[in-house]
Amino acid sequence: AQSVSQHNHHVILSEAASLELGCNYSYGGTVNLFWYVQYPGQHLQLLLKYFSGDPLVKGIKGFEAEFIKSKFSFNLRKPSVQWSDTAEYFCAVTPNTNAGKSTFGDGTTLTVKP
Amino acid sequence: NAGVMQNPRHLVRRRGQEARLRCSPMKGHSHVYWYRQLPEEGLKFMVYLQKENIIDESGMPKERFSAEFPKEGPSILRIQQVVRGDSAAYFCASSPERWRAEAFFGQGTRLTVV
Repeated sequence: AQSVSQHNHHVILSEAASLELGCNYSYGGTVNLFWYVQYPGQHLQLLLKYFSGDPLVKGIKGFEAEFIKSKFSFNLRKPSVQWSDTAEYFCAVTPNTNAGKSTFGDGTTLTVKP
Repeated sequence: NAGVMQNPRHLVRRRGQEARLRCSPMKGHSHVYWYRQLPEEGLKFMVYLQKENIIDESGMPKERFSAEFPKEGPSILRIQQVVRGDSAAYFCASSPERWRAEAFFGQGTRLTVV
């Protein structure tokens, strides 16, 4: 069975600080990897995705993530966070054979202090 | 192209009533997925449907919950005799195909059972 582990439940940063959110997964086959953001009271928005190719993927709003296959990791990074990045971030893993059956991590709440 | 549409956005039901949640997938998408997000948790897969067929319902509670995706009209997630523990956000996602594709999420329906 798939599982996704997000190491940090709650992260608090000051504006301009660098961000790295950890995500590790467990799955025996080929996977697609996603990071989503959920602003308070809103729906999920896709930040970035990895299907294949360059393991360093760039997403919207200055976010990027690196897929390290040997470590089963897909960590999210941003060099300089803004107050508007305050939100909940979810890592998700989907088997290559089923586009929508994703396993989500429990999420990381990011609070950016102005 | 409108996104995945879910309605209602908010639904309040008394214990023992029925809840019906609707999801209209994106145009051209024939694969629909339902997820539930309990407070302080990530999204959990419930069911995967194609037109008129349930493909995978491994995440659905065995009782009171059912889902359909008729040939015409939206997908419906139905919860009979709701209980307080059913209070959650229910998200629908759709994709154009099953393989190597991305699922797009709706804004969710927040169900509150009083």
